[in-house]
Amino acid sequence: EPEVTQTPSHQVTQMGQEVILRCVPISNHLYFYWYRQILGQKVEFLVSFYNNEISEKSEIFDDQFSVERPDGSNFTLKIRSTKLEDSAMYFCASNNPGYEQFFGPGTRLTVL
Amino acid sequence: AQSVSQHNHHVILSEAASLELGCNYSYGGTVNLFWYVQYPGQHLQLLLKYFSGDPLVKGIKGFEAEFIKSKFSFNLRKPSVQWSDTAEYFCAVTANQAGTALIFGKGTTLSVSS
Repeated sequence: EPEVTQTPSHQVTQMGQEVILRCVPISNHLYFYWYRQILGQKVEFLVSFYNNEISEKSEIFDDQFSVERPDGSNFTLKIRSTKLEDSAMYFCASNNPGYEQFFGPGTRLTVL
Repeated sequence: AQSVSQHNHHVILSEAASLELGCNYSYGGTVNLFWYVQYPGQHLQLLLKYFSGDPLVKGIKGFEAEFIKSKFSFNLRKPSVQWSDTAEYFCAVTANQAGTALIFGKGTTLSVSS
């Protein structure tokens, strides 16, 4: 069964450093998403992406964040200058219209 | 503002007990509703979904949920829980439009003792 994959599973970085989180959505899906879950809190939407453009973003998704589909399979989330409060589990998801979103296993980001 | 409320933060049950987890949402327009489950150490998996039609939806592993539009509710039920149902359960809502955000509730941790 096809699934969403994410790498790395755990990323540790120093405050102020740039990180890139990688996702491979399910191959025939058209919509891609990033969510995050700070420890003990609910899953929060960051951004959705379709046809090489952001289709929706939340207030959390400020200028520090960017997304890209650099090739036909990867979908990345970049955080330019990480802050302590960016420490969270980041989930990638994908779907097609009319279907549920399928989630990856997540990347745990720890900012020191 | 769009939001999802899950009434129970932590539920503790014995095996074979019945389960009902409450979920209410605040969202304008036509919605799609979901319950996701996260087993320990695993990623979010879909339990069941409501898009349209019969408001009583059946999902995997014997779970079901009922959409009551007048109450803005989508409660999750299972008549007899098992130890393997121990997990975190998330209710989520999205607009009936491709590419829109899933809005999640805070989650309910279910602990089932054998």
